[in-house]
Amino acid sequence: EAGVAQSPRYKIIEKRQSVAFWCNPISGHATLYWYQQILGQGPKLLIQFQNNGVVDDSQLPKDRFSAERLKGVDSTLKIQPAKLEDSAVYLCASSLASGSSTDTQYFGPGTRLTVL
Amino acid sequence: GNSVTQMEGPVTLSEEAFLTINCTYTATGYPSLFWYVQYPGEGLQLLLKATKADDKGSNKGFEATYRKETTSFHLEKGSVQVSDSAVYFCALKSTSNTGKLIFGQGTTLQVKP
Repeated sequence: EAGVAQSPRYKIIEKRQSVAFWCNPISGHATLYWYQQILGQGPKLLIQFQNNGVVDDSQLPKDRFSAERLKGVDSTLKIQPAKLEDSAVYLCASSLASGSSTDTQYFGPGTRLTVL
Repeated sequence: GNSVTQMEGPVTLSEEAFLTINCTYTATGYPSLFWYVQYPGEGLQLLLKATKADDKGSNKGFEATYRKETTSFHLEKGSVQVSDSAVYFCALKSTSNTGKLIFGQGTTLQVKP
């Protein structure tokens, strides 16, 4: 079974530029998550989708970050314009269903973003 | 609010030494608890989990017991190997939220031959 796919793996941009990350979850997984992991910290949830609907985006900086999952499968996370503090690893995860206590999230390899 | 606290790293051990990484949590209700591991250049992988008090999760020689009385979920392994060198994250999933994981800050383990 294929895992969670993410691209690109690395991205370097200048501040005020825009960037987009792509995620393809495990086939059949209804729930998709985007996490931000700043160096030396644990991942922090940015947004959670259930199929193509947003379940939780309370930690998403909506003035500059946006995300979509139009067909309930793959997803794109965009930053526009980027700031220096957005330098982090962006992790995508998926799970069958979020409501169960036994539900397991599977993570992709992440995209490492450096903003100069 | 919900939170997870892990012991500071890095933890440096010799091969075959005993490992403990402490993890304590704050949460309402009865959360599920997880340990994830991140090897260099890779994504997070689930190591083990426990969904109720006194449950013991185990995998690849690692163990952790869900202790509600001390709100802890310490990770242990009897004999570490060089290949165990990685960053370990403790996380909780509250029953009262949408299923998001709340992570500790991670503990780096370095095992020397």
